[in-house]
Amino acid sequence: GQNIDQPTEMTATEGAIVQINCTYQTSGFNGLFWYQQHAGEAPTFLSYNVLDGLEEKGRFSSFLSRSKGYSYLLLKELQMKDSASYLCAVEDQAGTALIFGKGTTLSVSS
Amino acid sequence: DAGVTQSPTHLIKTRGQQVTLRCSPKSGHDTVSWYQQALGQGPQFIFQYYEEEERQRGNFPDRFSGHQFPNYSSELNVNALLLGDSALYLCASSRGYEQYFGPGTRLTVT
Repeated sequence: GQNIDQPTEMTATEGAIVQINCTYQTSGFNGLFWYQQHAGEAPTFLSYNVLDGLEEKGRFSSFLSRSKGYSYLLLKELQMKDSASYLCAVEDQAGTALIFGKGTTLSVSS
Repeated sequence: DAGVTQSPTHLIKTRGQQVTLRCSPKSGHDTVSWYQQALGQGPQFIFQYYEEEERQRGNFPDRFSGHQFPNYSSELNVNALLLGDSALYLCASSRGYEQYFGPGTRLTVT
């Protein structure tokens, strides 16, 4: 079966750091994506992890542990515009389909 | 460089009707995937097209069908619409691992 879990909602204040966790149990694995989706808009690509470890890209970092079926997205120096849904997605074995979690809605307040 | 485009933006249909949604991929992309996103959920993979053929299909009934044209654009057809088909339909194009999403078509079935 396919199961991807992430918290439903999180809140944080401007300038803070927040970590969004994602655990997965899937029949195949080719990589893990994080997408950001603002309300009513398309998901936009944030990061892609294939190997274990941390990938850093500006204010955003993503970590993967394949043995633990675990990933997190770290957002630093939070800004109001970071208020959005953050989607964790596992790429299937064939490298074709993305299997998404339900998303984590992050609210950033001043 | 135009990104992924989809039409129409919004659509209202009645139960039992048929609908066709259209997608033009990002320039240089040859692969198109379709996803269904219900309110408050993550996107669910419907199918992927490559070289005008369905390469992989998710857990959706045969009422959902598609097509890819020689210029790589794609259509999603849904027959015998049900109320539960109301959702945001996202098209994603790719050439390689990263999938770029279009703005989506919001389908409402009444």
